[in-house]
Amino acid sequence: GIQVEQSPPDLILQEGANSTLRCNFSDSVNNLQWFHQNPWGQLINLFYIPSGTKQNGRLSATTVATERYSLLYISSSQTTDSGVYFCAVDPKTSYDKVIFGPGTSLSVIP
Amino acid sequence: DAGITQSPRHKVTETGTPVTLRCHQTENHRYMYWYRQDPGHGLRLIHYSYGVKDTDKGEVSDGYSVSRSKTEDFLLTLESATSSQTSVYFCAISVGANYGYTFGSGTRLTVV
Repeated sequence: GIQVEQSPPDLILQEGANSTLRCNFSDSVNNLQWFHQNPWGQLINLFYIPSGTKQNGRLSATTVATERYSLLYISSSQTTDSGVYFCAVDPKTSYDKVIFGPGTSLSVIP
Repeated sequence: DAGITQSPRHKVTETGTPVTLRCHQTENHRYMYWYRQDPGHGLRLIHYSYGVKDTDKGEVSDGYSVSRSKTEDFLLTLESATSSQTSVYFCAISVGANYGYTFGSGTRLTVV
């Protein structure tokens, strides 16, 4: 089946710093989503982005489907950005069965 | 929570007992999903539904069954709970196959 990798696995940032999280996938996908799981366990959908670039405030995401990767940019990080960031893909070969990556754990310190 | 609630939020049960978790939505979304989240394994799909009485298996469906008799409710049943089913269970909804997910708050299940 499809393999989904995320890097880095862990990241510590000073408040105000910028960061880039990466998601690589091994096969063609119908769509891709980015989620943030906060320290209380709540999963929040950040982006639905099968291709192209989207921006939402300090966050933006770019997916290059032909090269099988997606990037999540966090600018001017805040302590509330802490948590785990997951990408999730819907493989073309197994429609509807979205597969999650292992996540990037982000800690933003004051 | 965008019209999606899970119940119960926490449950402790004994090995061998049946357990049913409920996911309820008020969004009239067609798709509903059950995931489990475990350390070292991330989020894994158990079962999903693409309409009333239409369900399919995910990657870790053994030991679980589901039912969807109404658009708004998707039930996950552990017929005979085992300690390996101790986990946090998340329900998600989606308008359609090519739309983003909205997750519920999760149910923490402990099997002793």
